[in-house]
Amino acid sequence: DAGITQSPRYKITETGRQVTLMCHQTWSHSYMFWYRQDLGHGLRLIYYSAAADITDKGEVPDGYVVSRSKTENFPLTLESATRSQTSVYFCASSPDRVQTGELFFGEGSRLTVL
Amino acid sequence: GESVGLHLPTLSVQEGDNSIINCAYSNSASDYFIWYKQESGKGPQFIIDIRSNMDKRQGQRVTVLLNKTVKHLSLQIAATQPGDSAVYFCAERSGGFKTIFGAGTRLFVKA
Repeated sequence: DAGITQSPRYKITETGRQVTLMCHQTWSHSYMFWYRQDLGHGLRLIYYSAAADITDKGEVPDGYVVSRSKTENFPLTLESATRSQTSVYFCASSPDRVQTGELFFGEGSRLTVL
Repeated sequence: GESVGLHLPTLSVQEGDNSIINCAYSNSASDYFIWYKQESGKGPQFIIDIRSNMDKRQGQRVTVLLNKTVKHLSLQIAATQPGDSAVYFCAERSGGFKTIFGAGTRLFVKA
């Protein structure tokens, strides 16, 4: 189906392990984003990307790595997971249009770090 | 630094009444201000946005007001329905499409 999909939807891991969350969009949107949402809080921007091979830090980039080798994919890697990275992670995309500020979100990936 | 915040973390309204959700922002360089709705277990869903050179924009049952003098944004929902119960976020977009979100307001609609 067309849209933006995240995988896995649920993941439990242990402190120190590497985890990669995947994000795939079928719209060929230029911009892609990763946010984290902690319980009862808003969304905080981790990284974003304007195009393939162009990424930039957001509000809370420490402990995360991203890549964008293809326009449609924007994986987020936690190189050594910590308990403080337990959160729900949302991927989003946006076309390169100046006429709207809309982002299109995935359903989220719930990560628990034990 | 940049920040987007909300005045009221929880809002409870009677079904059929109008709801007003407020938001303060600090980045005068933002070009778009956006409202999202998030239901439990789902990703945020776009409601409406307003460009920085506008004061008001209306959609279906929703109106967004932008007051640049006091850096204030509001979302008005007319004839609030039970299906409007959710968490509402304001967000602002600045250079490079960087979009920062506020903390959110939970809206309860009483039947």
